[in-house]
Amino acid sequence: DVKVTQSSRYLVKRTGEKVFLECVQDMDHENMFWYRQDPGLGLRLIYFSYDVKMKEKGDIPEGYSVSREKKERFSLILESASTNQTSMYLCASSLFGGQGNTIYFGEGSWLTVV
Amino acid sequence: GESVGLHLPTLSVQEGDNSIINCAYSNSASDYFIWYKQESGKGPQFIIDIRSNMDKRQGQRVTVLLNKTVKHLSLQIAATQPGDSAVYFCAENSISSGSARQLTFGSGTQLTVLP
Repeated sequence: DVKVTQSSRYLVKRTGEKVFLECVQDMDHENMFWYRQDPGLGLRLIYFSYDVKMKEKGDIPEGYSVSREKKERFSLILESASTNQTSMYLCASSLFGGQGNTIYFGEGSWLTVV
Repeated sequence: GESVGLHLPTLSVQEGDNSIINCAYSNSASDYFIWYKQESGKGPQFIIDIRSNMDKRQGQRVTVLLNKTVKHLSLQIAATQPGDSAVYFCAENSISSGSARQLTFGSGTQLTVLP
């Protein structure tokens, strides 16, 4: 089975702190994604990466950056956390190319910024 | 812009009955669709997918129907069980400018199974 692992399930951070959310997948997938999920707004794409060191902005990249130094690992960085970044963050991965490949999700990271 | 949406935000069914969850999409170029199940506090879990060259696909207790004419798909769950209570999302898989496929999600339907 595909395994997407988010290292932190629950975090509480202070406004202005730098926050790292780590994600690892074990299926040699080329694509990796970071989403946030908020009540009433559904899932929104922050950033995605289709190869090592490659990244593209999603729908809501402001206030976030990402890092993909190794194929299996995709990190989401909040340079200076703000309260409006309190949310559930979901990492996902998929194979590259083709008519469509299933995207598999991790269990989520709940971030509270106080 | 393009959107994927669900007709009903909530659905309650009796245990043992069949459930039908509907989804409408607006991108006529969509060619791949996925249904996810998300239990409270967990990430979305893949249930079943369907490509646009099919109109029906069956899994274990689940069936997805695709009607490209009216841009509609549905998820049918047979003999609904308490463990089926969750939010169900449909998603359309599209190609980005970087050729990495992304998902456009519907808002989700909360399925509640009544005893």
